[in-house]
Amino acid sequence: SQTIHQWPATLVQPVGSPLSLECTVEGTSNPNLYWYRQAAGRGLQLLFYSVGIGQISSEVPQNLSASRPQDRQFILSSKKLLLSDSGFYLCAWNPEGMGNQPQHFGDGTRLSIL
Amino acid sequence: AQSVSQHNHHVILSEAASLELGCNYSYGGTVNLFWYVQYPGQHLQLLLKYFSGDPLVKGIKGFEAEFIKSKFSFNLRKPSVQWSDTAEYFCAVRGGSYIPTFGRGTSLIVHP
Repeated sequence: SQTIHQWPATLVQPVGSPLSLECTVEGTSNPNLYWYRQAAGRGLQLLFYSVGIGQISSEVPQNLSASRPQDRQFILSSKKLLLSDSGFYLCAWNPEGMGNQPQHFGDGTRLSIL
Repeated sequence: AQSVSQHNHHVILSEAASLELGCNYSYGGTVNLFWYVQYPGQHLQLLLKYFSGDPLVKGIKGFEAEFIKSKFSFNLRKPSVQWSDTAEYFCAVRGGSYIPTFGRGTSLIVHP
């Protein structure tokens, strides 16, 4: 069966430090991958999505970037974190070519910037 | 572009009360509709979905939703809520692209 792993679960970082959040999917090939930020009362904001290795689409220009170095690996990064980057980050996937299928979400990463 | 609106941001009910959470979307073509639930401390998971066919969709844990095309709505219902239904509920719509748009979410608290 397919599983999605996201880590770390929580992270506290100082302003100006770099960031790397990792997400991996097991049990499937060529998944569509997504990064969301969830803020209280604001729902899920799509940050990036990817349909294949090296293919990244950005939905919201900001201080973050994403990369997909391997088929089932999706990384969210920043060179210099801002206070406004604090939040809850979710990774999700759904099957290749079946974008109308429901997404499966990871457990999320709670990021606090000090 | 597609959009979705959830009207109730916070709902507080007593056990056994009936529940209806509103969801309206904006998109002129064929849509897929979803309700997701996030229980405290757990990951977001699918509650139910509508792709085509019977507009009354039944999901897990006694939830159902009705797609009313003329009203662009996909409201979530449950006849009798339980304390364990306390969670955050998200409506999502997928129109022309395969990227769904999520609503802001509704926080449901059920008192025992």
